[in-house]
Amino acid sequence: NAGVMQNPRHLVRRRGQEARLRCSPMKGHSHVYWYRQLPEEGLKFMVYLQKENIIDESGMPKERFSAEFPKEGPSILRIQQVVRGDSAAYFCASSPPDLSTGELFFGEGSRLTVL
Amino acid sequence: AQSVTQPDIHITVSEGASLELRCNYSYGATPYLFWYVQSPGQGLQLLLKYFSGDTLVQGIKGFEAEFKRSQSSFNLRKPSVHWSDAAEYFCAGTTSGTYKYIFGTGTRLKVLA
Repeated sequence: NAGVMQNPRHLVRRRGQEARLRCSPMKGHSHVYWYRQLPEEGLKFMVYLQKENIIDESGMPKERFSAEFPKEGPSILRIQQVVRGDSAAYFCASSPPDLSTGELFFGEGSRLTVL
Repeated sequence: AQSVTQPDIHITVSEGASLELRCNYSYGATPYLFWYVQSPGQGLQLLLKYFSGDTLVQGIKGFEAEFKRSQSSFNLRKPSVHWSDAAEYFCAGTTSGTYKYIFGTGTRLKVLA
C-alpha cells in the first residue's frame, strides 16, 4: 500500500537551471496538491490539480513555476530559471475525490537547493 | 482571515516530562484540525486529526489533543516525552470540502536527556 511517492528526494541546481519534481499520488487518489516549505516556515499551498486539469493555482508564483498532472504518469512541478529563493522543500499531497474529510496524504518531500 | 498560529517557536523539555504544544486557529466555521510531526529531512507524519464529535482526540505515539472552541485552541499533549519525540510539530487547519491547509509556522521540540 504505497503512499505518495516523490522524487527526487534531493535536487541541487545552479541558478538559471530548471528543476523538475515528480509526484505519484496514492493508489485510488486522483487529486494532487503541491505545497512549499521555505526554511524556518510552515507549508504553504501552491497548486491543486486533477488529471489533465489545474483546478487552483492561486498559490503559485506568477512566473517560472508551472505544474501538470497528465493522464498518464506522475504530476510534475517545474521551476524554470531557478533562483536562490526557490531553495525549499516541496511537498506533494493527494486525496480521493471525496474531500468531505478534508484529509490530505503527504509525501516525504523534495528538497531543492539552488547554488 | 483564516489562520493557524503556533505561538512557541522552540520548546525544550526533559525526557519523561509532560509536554503541551499550543495551537490557535481562526476560522469562521469549525475547522478540521491536524497535528503533524516532521523529523529532520523527513516528510510529514500525521499524529492526529479532529473533524467533529469528541473534543479529546487520541493519536499515535501517545499523543492527544483537545479541541476547545471557547479558546479557539487545539493543543497537543503528551504525558511523558521520549528522546525520540524531538522533532518539529505543525498544526494545520482546513474546512470541509476544501484542500487548502493552513499550516502554523511550527514548534521545534528539543528533549534533554
